[in-house]
This record gives sequence, structure tokens and C-alpha cells, in this order.
Amino acid sequence: GQQLNQSPQSMFIQEGEDVSMNCTSSSIFNTWLWYKQDPGEGPVLLIALYKAGELTSNGRLTAQFGITRKDSFLNISASIPSDVGIYFCAGLSAGGTSYGKLTFGQGTILTVHP
Amino acid sequence: KAGVTQTPRYLIKTRGQQVTLSCSPISGHRSVSWYQQTPGQGLQFLFEYFSETQRNKGNFPGRFSGRQFSNSRSEMNVSTLELGDSALYLCASRRLTGEVNTEAFFGQGTRLTVV
Repeated sequence: GQQLNQSPQSMFIQEGEDVSMNCTSSSIFNTWLWYKQDPGEGPVLLIALYKAGELTSNGRLTAQFGITRKDSFLNISASIPSDVGIYFCAGLSAGGTSYGKLTFGQGTILTVHP
Repeated sequence: KAGVTQTPRYLIKTRGQQVTLSCSPISGHRSVSWYQQTPGQGLQFLFEYFSETQRNKGNFPGRFSGRQFSNSRSEMNVSTLELGDSALYLCASRRLTGEVNTEAFFGQGTRLTVV
């Protein structure tokens, strides 16, 4: 089945530092989504990417849809304490029996020290 | 516009019992997907419903079932509960009107504890 490898698994950074995380897949995706989850809550959509090569920003967040359609990265600039949480990538599949199914990465746990 | 609503937020059940969780999608969204989230396994896909039909299914035993009503609201049922079913159950809705790949929006989840 489809798998998404998300790295790193966890990050411990100082406030003000930039953060980068990425996801790679063995399959092609039509859409990449990035979510943030706070403890005990549902994931909140941060950025959606629809085209290979697309680079999209949302405030201090920037994400890119890889040219091969098998990878994506998320950057957070000038981190602040409220950036703490779990970040998930998700890919929407291109075809076959998994058409339209959302596949998630394992998540990156981000800790920001003031 | 109201978001995805899941009820109840918290639930404690005993092994062997059954449980029903409810999800109301965003107005106009026709697809509802269910996920199980545990610390060790991350987000695991259970199933997706669209227009009252199950479109996709994950690798969960038959004890996990779902359905969708004509107003797009969905319920998930787990029978013969096991301790390992303790998890955060998340529901996500998507619009899916003519396009497959639209964003998924999540509810706050139902925290199920099986004792």
C-alpha cells in the first residue's frame, strides 16, 4: 500500500529558529496537504498544494509540492512557542484502487524552547 | 460556516461493549472519512463515505463499521470493544463536488477509552 515517510520524527528548537520538515512517497500524489495538531484536538489544515513545483506561503509557513509529485516540504520561519505541536503531511492519491484516499505521514513533533 | 462536529468528545466504555460515534460534516461537504489515532500508530484510515456509499476502506477488522445518511452526517460503530480500541477517533469532511482532490477538514475528535 501507499506509504509516506515524514522526517524528522521530532525537533527541539529555540524560539526564532527556522524549521524544515519533509515527506517522501513511493507513489505519486495529486495533492499535498500540511496539517498541525495540538494535543487532544483534530488536525488543522495549514497549506494545500495542487501542482507539481508549486510553492505556497501562509504567513511564516512555506510549503512546496515536489516536481516528481512524490515529495513535499514545509518550512516554518522564525518559530514562536505557539508553533509547538505535531505536523502532518498528507497526500491525496492519483488513481487506482486508492483514488481519492488521503494518506498521512507519521508526523513531526515540534518543541520550541523560549 | 460551522466546522466539522463530532460527538461525543469523550467516551469511556467497557471491554465487550459497543459504541457509536457521530460526525456532522461542513455544510455542503458530501464526503466523510474516519481515522483512528493512537500514539504508536499515528493516523490510520478507517473508511470514507460519499453519498451514503462506502468509497474506500482501510485495514481494520469487521468490528469497525460506518454509515452515512442522506444529509451527509456519518456514524461509526465499533462492536465488541477491546482495550486496544482506545484512541482518538477523527472525522474529516471534504466537498467533492466534481473534483476528487479537495482539502479535508477535521473535527475535534472523540476520545474513546476502553477499560
